[in-house]
Amino acid sequence: QLQLQESGPGLVKSSETLSLICTVSGASISGSNYYWDWIRQPPGKGLERIGSIYYSGGTYYNPSLKSRATISVDTFKNQFSLKLTSVTAADTAVYYCARRVVPAARGDWFDPWGQGTLVTVSS
Amino acid sequence: SYELTQPPSVSVSPGQTASITCSGHKLGDKYASWYQQKPGQSPVLVIYQDSKRPSGIPDRFSGSNSGNTATLTISGTQAMDEADYFCQAWDNDHVVFGGGTNLAVL
Repeated sequence: QLQLQESGPGLVKSSETLSLICTVSGASISGSNYYWDWIRQPPGKGLERIGSIYYSGGTYYNPSLKSRATISVDTFKNQFSLKLTSVTAADTAVYYCARRVVPAARGDWFDPWGQGTLVTVSS
Repeated sequence: SYELTQPPSVSVSPGQTASITCSGHKLGDKYASWYQQKPGQSPVLVIYQDSKRPSGIPDRFSGSNSGNTATLTISGTQAMDEADYFCQAWDNDHVVFGGGTNLAVL
């Protein structure tokens, strides 16, 4: 059974860098037709996609993050990671990693999701 | 930018049918997915490609998508279905999520 697990500090100081790792178990991160995404949810609010990576290294980032995000993959460890620089209180959120299924007909979906990790940015 | 609009809340009596809508320009030309999120938990996929159910999702969950509206329908709603529901679609290779609907089973 495929499972994703986020890990990293729950508290980050303003202006510093948020770093999270997503460990994938139950399947290889190198599978085709799958991308690996980071999505966040501020407390009490909706979902915002941060970006994604393919096992070969191709990435996509949400333009709204203004180049602050970097996603990388380690196929040997079956992990992918997120770094978000120059964080502010607005980056306080639950951060989820998720597998994105990319069918030939498109209409991608996210399944499964990790349990999520709350990251609070403090001043 | 493309937007998906959901009603903030929907209420339903146990055993009745709940319908949650998601509206967007020509949404019927795209595929819609739906996620269920219970308090303190991560989202769970309940419908993908408009109307397909992942394994393990009860058949009381169904979906449709036409025109400008995608609809998640829950037949014979149970107390365990009380949750937030988010729709999701793609527009020009960008993921768009709806704002979410809180389903209350009263």
